[in-house]
Amino acid sequence: KAGVTQTPRYLIKTRGQQVTLSCSPISGHRSVSWYQQTPGQGLQFLFEYFSETQRNKGNFPGRFSGRQFSNSRSEMNVSTLELGDSALYLCASSLDPGLGPQHFGDGTRLSIL
Amino acid sequence: QQQVKQSPQSLIVQKGGISIINCAYENTAFDYFPWYQQFPGKGPALLIAIRPDVSEKKEGRFTISFNKSAKQLSLHIMDSQPGDSATYFCAASMRTGGSYIPTFGRGTSLIVHP
Repeated sequence: KAGVTQTPRYLIKTRGQQVTLSCSPISGHRSVSWYQQTPGQGLQFLFEYFSETQRNKGNFPGRFSGRQFSNSRSEMNVSTLELGDSALYLCASSLDPGLGPQHFGDGTRLSIL
Repeated sequence: QQQVKQSPQSLIVQKGGISIINCAYENTAFDYFPWYQQFPGKGPALLIAIRPDVSEKKEGRFTISFNKSAKQLSLHIMDSQPGDSATYFCAASMRTGGSYIPTFGRGTSLIVHP
């Protein structure tokens, strides 16, 4: 069974640009959540989707948004990029959202110049 | 304010030794505590999890000890192996909107020397 797939693996952008990251969950998993990982702040929850509905959102500005499609694939978008958005963005999927994130992808490394 | 405090930040043990990582939380609403293992260049992997209705959970060489009254838990890795060298995260979760959303500790970098 294929794991959680995140694309692209690496991305370089400049300040002010926007970016879209993609996540394909494990087949059958309808819960997808996103996290930001930085050396300074650690692992932080961004948002969580279940059956195309955003059920929870972390403490991030409105520049961070996401969506989930009917096939459970998810995208997150960051607009007006800032230097501080440089991070590893991780996606996780779960068969049961009541168990929290179970399977993580290897992330997208976003660098802002 | 750090809701989940994890210690130590780094840990070095010899092969065959016991690795102990501690976690403390503040919010008594947390009721699900997973631990994750992360290797360089990889995403975290769910290692083991515990709920407050039990004081200990063991899976292979990994054991979680939970002290609900002290709001503390710890991960013990018995017979530590070089392959266990990774960063470990504890998390405290509460049910929100039907889902468990984790608050992570800052991580412990474990190095096991052969």
